[in-house]
This record gives sequence, structure tokens and C-alpha cells, in this order.
Amino acid sequence: QVQLVESGGGVVQPGRSLRLSCAASGFTFSGSGMHWVRQAPGKGLEWVAVISYDGGSKYYADSVKGRFAISRDNSKNTLYLQMNSLRADDTGVYYCAKDGPDIASAYDYWGQGVLVTVSS
Amino acid sequence: QSALTQPASVSGSPGQSITISCTGTSSDVGRYNYVSWYQQHPGKAPKLMIYQVSNRPSGVSNRFSGSKSGNTASLTISGLQAEDEADYYCSSYTSSSTRVFGGGTKVTVL
Repeated sequence: QVQLVESGGGVVQPGRSLRLSCAASGFTFSGSGMHWVRQAPGKGLEWVAVISYDGGSKYYADSVKGRFAISRDNSKNTLYLQMNSLRADDTGVYYCAKDGPDIASAYDYWGQGVLVTVSS
Repeated sequence: QSALTQPASVSGSPGQSITISCTGTSSDVGRYNYVSWYQQHPGKAPKLMIYQVSNRPSGVSNRFSGSKSGNTASLTISGLQAEDEADYYCSSYTSSSTRVFGGGTKVTVL
């Protein structure tokens, strides 16, 4: 069965960096686009970034462009989100999600989420 | 990248039908049939309920249906049940190859 497991969250000071990981299993990771989606405490879902199956295409929300970088290692079935220059409003639960069931159609599987808290 | 517009809350009695709207623009909802809907219970990850406007993934009840007209997509829940009480979000592909979510709708079963 499809499993997505995020890790790397925690408490970080404003201006610092953090890298999230998402370990994937149960499907052909190298054949799927992948997303990061976040949710601030008590707020709605916000799409963050997407990466194509081969890493050749990447797109970002305006709120994170220039600060966050999405990447993947298909040999390790792992998705990453490098977060730099973190701000208080980056606080929230970060989910990785698989693109599917067709290309660009939706997010058909989600991880359990990892909490990132940006605070001094 | 403005969020899609959803009503903050919708309520209904058990057995009734409710509809949640999701309004975007001609650059997202109106241009592509890549509108999807998600159900999220408190403290849980979202779950895909509808993709490509009106398709249901395997395992999702046929009480959930989706449609689209112009820049507005809709999710209808028929035969409302207590377990349907949750937050619902729409999402769309955009002309910038990014994605956008709606603000979310809290469904209450009276």
C-alpha cells in the first residue's frame, strides 16, 4: 500500500533553515509528481510546491518562492523541502502528497504531516 | 495566486443533500477540468474525494459527486451522515502550472 512518511520538523528560530524529508513506498516513486502542502494552525490548506517525476520541473507558491526548494532522490524514494529564511508565518503542519491518479489531476495520497514551528 | 472562494460553513440534517461551491477564475477552475475535493477530519490528513471535477476514487461513497459550470465547481453530498461532518477543500490546477486551494468549508450535520 502507498505510504508517505514525513520527517525533519521541529522548532526553529526566524531566519534559520530546516529540511523536510518524505519517504515514499508502495508505488513507483520515480513515475509520480510530488507536492508539499502546508496548514497553519487552525487554518486551511495551502499548496507549497510541486516537482515532476524526474525533477525536471518545479513550481512554487508565491509565498515561498526564492526561500524554499523542492527536490527528490529517486534512488532513495525520497522527497525533500529545503526551507530557508524561515518566518513565523511558515509555522504549520507540512504534508507531502502524491500527484494522481492522473498527471496534475489531484493529490491522491498524503502523508501524516510534520509540524514546523518558527519561533524565537 | 488568490485562494479559491468557498463558503465558510454549510449545514444539513441527516439524510439531506448539501452543496459546497468553489469559485475561481478563468485561469484555474474555468480553464481546466483539474478540480479536486478533499475531506479533512480534525487532526487527520486530507482525503481525496473527487478528482477531475466529477471522478470518484475507488472506495469513496457514491453519495459524493462533483460538477463544474464556468468558473465555479461544486461538491454535493447526498444522504448526509454524521461521519460526513468535516472540513472540505477544493483545489485546482492553474495556468501558471501551480495549484491553488479554496479556503475550506466546515460541514456540520445537525
